[in-house]
Amino acid sequence: QSALTQPVSVSGSPGQSITISCTGTSSDVGNYNLVSWYQQHPGKAPKLIIYEVNTRPSGVSDRFSGSKSGSTASLTVSGLQADDSADYYCCSYAGGRTWVFGGGTKLTVL
Amino acid sequence: EVQLVDSGGGWVQPGGSLRLSCAVSGFSLSNYYMNWVRQAPGKGLEWISYISTSGSSINYADSVQGRFTISRDNAKNSLYLQMNSLRAEDTAVYYCARGDFLTSSHKSFDNWGQGALVTVSS
Repeated sequence: QSALTQPVSVSGSPGQSITISCTGTSSDVGNYNLVSWYQQHPGKAPKLIIYEVNTRPSGVSDRFSGSKSGSTASLTVSGLQADDSADYYCCSYAGGRTWVFGGGTKLTVL
Repeated sequence: EVQLVDSGGGWVQPGGSLRLSCAVSGFSLSNYYMNWVRQAPGKGLEWISYISTSGSSINYADSVQGRFTISRDNAKNSLYLQMNSLRAEDTAVYYCARGDFLTSSHKSFDNWGQGALVTVSS
């Protein structure tokens, strides 16, 4: 499968909100409500922050929220904080026990 | 505390082989589906392999199909990735990633190892 499409970078000031889009196809994002999002700081392993489109794991800040419309999923980060600066990846189940990731988005908190 | 510890990375020449291990603790491996995900230097994440709780169901990304073999030993709380016929483009950090619990279907990866760097170069 082809990677999901994410913007290369986004930025925002502390306290503001940003949204990262993740566009797939009718075979992945559009076909399953099984989109997850991961935060990755430099040199660290990814961390799950959203699963099943809009569900936060225990311990993840409610400043992170997810949504989906058609074949495009979105991650919104509200009340930006300096520590939110990281790479963010979307991922969708694509059927047949396969998954596809997005190319990643670098979030910079100015 | 849930922990996944990746090991076995290193340098290998093109065409060579390497075996990665992922030792888990803090949970019963037999109750979870498991995966390997890799990340080439400066690049994004790529899912490469899945294995069911018993090992009876396995799948691979096209990029590694026929060259890599995933396996698990639940008694030893360990996941493995045997990598053969390695190519320069396989150079990456390899992460083991915990998938769904036996009775759930979130289809996400909720815990990750720290990663093992594999460098394929002559």
